[in-house]
Amino acid sequence: DIQMTQSPASLSASVRDRVTVTCRASQNISKYLNWYRQRPGKVPELLIYAASTLQSGVPSRFSGSGSGTEFTLTFSSLQPEDFATYYCQQSFTTPYTFGQGTKVEI
Amino acid sequence: QVTLRESGPALVKPTQTLTLTCTFSGFSLNTDEMCVAWIRQPPGKALEWLAVIDWDDNQYYTTSLATRLTISKDTSKNQVVLTMTNMDPVDTATYFCARMVARDDYYMDVWGNGTTVTVSS
Repeated sequence: DIQMTQSPASLSASVRDRVTVTCRASQNISKYLNWYRQRPGKVPELLIYAASTLQSGVPSRFSGSGSGTEFTLTFSSLQPEDFATYYCQQSFTTPYTFGQGTKVEI
Repeated sequence: QVTLRESGPALVKPTQTLTLTCTFSGFSLNTDEMCVAWIRQPPGKALEWLAVIDWDDNQYYTTSLATRLTISKDTSKNQVVLTMTNMDPVDTATYFCARMVARDDYYMDVWGNGTTVTVSS
């Protein structure tokens, strides 16, 4: 199975900060990487698929980049609703494994 | 509008078999590129992808649970069923179903609200 490793596991930031979260795959997954946001007590939401394509309705302050084994999720200006846990997930091959999550705290 | 809703028992005993149903609307599992996946999340822990079934009735499972899981679909009822045998307290989690779209990539764009399952005697 492909292992997904996110860093950091948690971070503290302020509103309007620029923040970057990293996800590494244990093997080459090309562009097949998705990002989800899960607010406390809520259902996960798709933010980005295919490494850099913004899901419809997701604010443009989110962006994704990378290919191969290293990927990043960037928030250009953190908003209050962005304090949540973020998960990467590879969709290169089954099983479609998730990272362990990055918690973004105030 | 695409919606999914999970249903099943809130409490199961160890060694029992869990049966969860995902009832969906707004899309068809007979349509190319459409899939339904199951994901779980133990309390306070990360998401774990479990299984997926696609429009062509292909089924895929997470390696560690493959011998215990079965996913199936009933397209006439717009339902996907997940069974997990030999339940254990470590299987206590919220179980989500989600639509998975196989277009450019495989991604889960709409999720159900989840159903909480506790395994306890």
